[in-house]
Amino acid sequence: EVQLVESGGGWVQPGGSLRLSCAASGFTFSSYEMNWVRQAPGKGLEWVSYITSSGKTIYNADSVKGRFTISRDNAKNSLYLQMNSLRAEDTAVYYCARGDCSVGCYVSSWGQGTLVTVSS
Amino acid sequence: EIVLTQSPATLSLSPGERATLSCRASQSVSNYLAWYQQKPGQAPRLLIYDASNRATGIPARFSGSGSGTDFTLTISSLEPEDFAVYYCQQRTSWPPMYTFGQGTKLESK
Repeated sequence: EVQLVESGGGWVQPGGSLRLSCAASGFTFSSYEMNWVRQAPGKGLEWVSYITSSGKTIYNADSVKGRFTISRDNAKNSLYLQMNSLRAEDTAVYYCARGDCSVGCYVSSWGQGTLVTVSS
Repeated sequence: EIVLTQSPATLSLSPGERATLSCRASQSVSNYLAWYQQKPGQAPRLLIYDASNRATGIPARFSGSGSGTDFTLTISSLEPEDFAVYYCQQRTSWPPMYTFGQGTKLESK
């Protein structure tokens, strides 16, 4: 069974930093592209960041460029999101999301999410 | 950037009725479209990928159709557990950006 378990969320002041982790199990982690997707309270889904299976290529949404960095450790079956210069509008549940591509690409598995609250 | 627009924003129906949810893309996405279901306090769940393929374990009452810019998610006969928020999604090849629609809330009448 595919499992994605996020950790590292919490409360942080504006301008602060936080590092999210995602522990993957039940599949060959090193074979899949991974993403972070977030959802602000009462709002829709927003894709945040993408990383290829090897970790060599990353891409971020404009809203977090220059502030967030996605990375992975395939030996540890883990995905990370380093979040710096946090703003109130970054408050959201952050989901670790496994990408799959057949004809198109989609999220086949989601973690349960970890809540990040940015507030003074 | 491709924009996905879902309609209606809210759909009020009764169990046993047929639900039809729409998703329109600002430019052609071929059949590269997926649908997700999200219940309160839960992560989204993949329902449909490549416009019309049901994901593993998804009941046959869920079906997807469309190509190009216009897509439809149909629930043939609503069960009580189907009342939730539904999102459509596409991803460009490069840059690898995922885009979600704003969601349709399916509520019980």
